[in-house]
Amino acid sequence: GIQVEQSPPDLILQEGANSTLRCNFSDSVNNLQWFHQNPWGQLINLFYIPSGTKQNGRLSATTVATERYSLLYISSSQTTDSGVYFCAVGSGGGADGLTFGKGTHLIIQP
Amino acid sequence: ETGVTQSPTHLIKTRGQQVTLRCSSQSGHNTVSWYQQALGQGPQFIFQYYREEENGRGNFPPRFSGLQFPNYSSELNVNALELDDSALYLCASSLDRYEQYFGPGTRLTVT
Repeated sequence: GIQVEQSPPDLILQEGANSTLRCNFSDSVNNLQWFHQNPWGQLINLFYIPSGTKQNGRLSATTVATERYSLLYISSSQTTDSGVYFCAVGSGGGADGLTFGKGTHLIIQP
Repeated sequence: ETGVTQSPTHLIKTRGQQVTLRCSSQSGHNTVSWYQQALGQGPQFIFQYYREEENGRGNFPPRFSGLQFPNYSSELNVNALELDDSALYLCASSLDRYEQYFGPGTRLTVT
C-alpha cells in the first residue's frame, strides 16, 4: 500500500515564528488532506489539496503531485496552533480510505 | 448544516464482550469511513461504506463489521473484544468518497 512520511516528527517554536511541515508519499494520489488534531482528538480539516496551492488565513499548503510531496506552511504561529498535524492521502476510487502519516507534533511556546 | 456526530463519546468494555459504535454523517454525504487511532499513532482505515455497501476494507479481522443505513448513518461493531482494541474510533463522512470530514470520535477502553 501507499506509504506516507511526515517531517519533522516534533517541532517546538516560539509564538510568532513560521514553520513548514512536509509530507512525502510513495505513489500517485487523487486525495490529499491536511488535518489538525486538537487535544480532545477531533480532526479539523485544514486543506483538501491533491494538487496545487491554497491559502486560508495564516495557513497555506502546496502539493506537487508529480514529485509526491506536500507542504503545510504556518505563519505567525499562535499558542492555539499547538497540536498534531496529519497528512493523509487516498488513491484509486477512494475505496482504500485515507492513509495517514505519523503526524508532526507542534508546540508553540508563549 | 450538521456535522458528523458519534456516540457514545466514551465506553468501557471487558475483554470478550461486543460493542457497537454509531455515526451520523454530515448532511448530503453518502459515504462513511471508519478509522482506529491507537495512542500516539495516526488513524488506520478500518472500512468504508458507500450507498449502504461495504466497498473497501483495511487490514482488520472479520470481527470488525459494520452497517450503513438508508439515511447514510453507520454502525461499527466489534466482537470478542481484545485489550489491543482500546483506541479512539473515528468516523468520517464524504460525498462520493472524496474530501472526508471527521466526527469527534469514541474512546473505547477494553479491560
